[in-house]
Amino acid sequence: GDKVKQSPSALSLQEGTNSALRCNFSIAATTVQWFLQNPRGSLMNLFYLVPGTKENGRLKSAFDSKESYSTLHIRDAQLEDSGTYFCAAETNTGKLTFGDGTVLTVKP
Amino acid sequence: GPKVLQIPSHQIIDMGQMVTLNCDPVSNHLYFYWYKQILGQQMEFLVNFYNGKVMEKSKLFKDQFSVERPDGSYFTLKIQPTALEDSAVYFCASSPGLGQNTLYFGAGTRLSVL
Repeated sequence: GDKVKQSPSALSLQEGTNSALRCNFSIAATTVQWFLQNPRGSLMNLFYLVPGTKENGRLKSAFDSKESYSTLHIRDAQLEDSGTYFCAAETNTGKLTFGDGTVLTVKP
Repeated sequence: GPKVLQIPSHQIIDMGQMVTLNCDPVSNHLYFYWYKQILGQQMEFLVNFYNGKVMEKSKLFKDQFSVERPDGSYFTLKIQPTALEDSAVYFCASSPGLGQNTLYFGAGTRLSVL
């Protein structure tokens, strides 16, 4: 979508390598959420962020509200990391606006 | 973690018929949401709901759509009548509060309108 732009749209990684996904916002995001949608379609919560950074295992995410972007770093990519990663920006009304997603494929 | 359950996981229906999608939100959550995802596209906000009322709805929430949560039971999305373009996966979500609260999503209901 125009309000939340994700990049890249698709990414292929070799197992064990690192990469970063990015979201740029043209709306006043108060918080950001990252989700992983698995091939069956289910959404898994990865991160919920106010401005700042969070880390969970091999994943690390940052949200800079002043510069209006968020990043998701994947370290030591594994096969099970494959799926579509969505970022979503929340405004003060509580509504999430999703990006178009990044399709990640991790290859052995 | 907290679970949002959606029933059924897949629904096939003839165009023009009515369909009700059911969502069992996280037990202590107060805000409820429906999102729509057409195959291969991004998730789009439909509606959010609190204290028995629609708080906000998008252009995608057509007049044929309605939501309710009678007596704390399932949070439902009803489409009457259905159209071909309603075919999509519908995700329900809930959150404990509004703004600065994590939304928890169900696994989605795939609706196929024939």
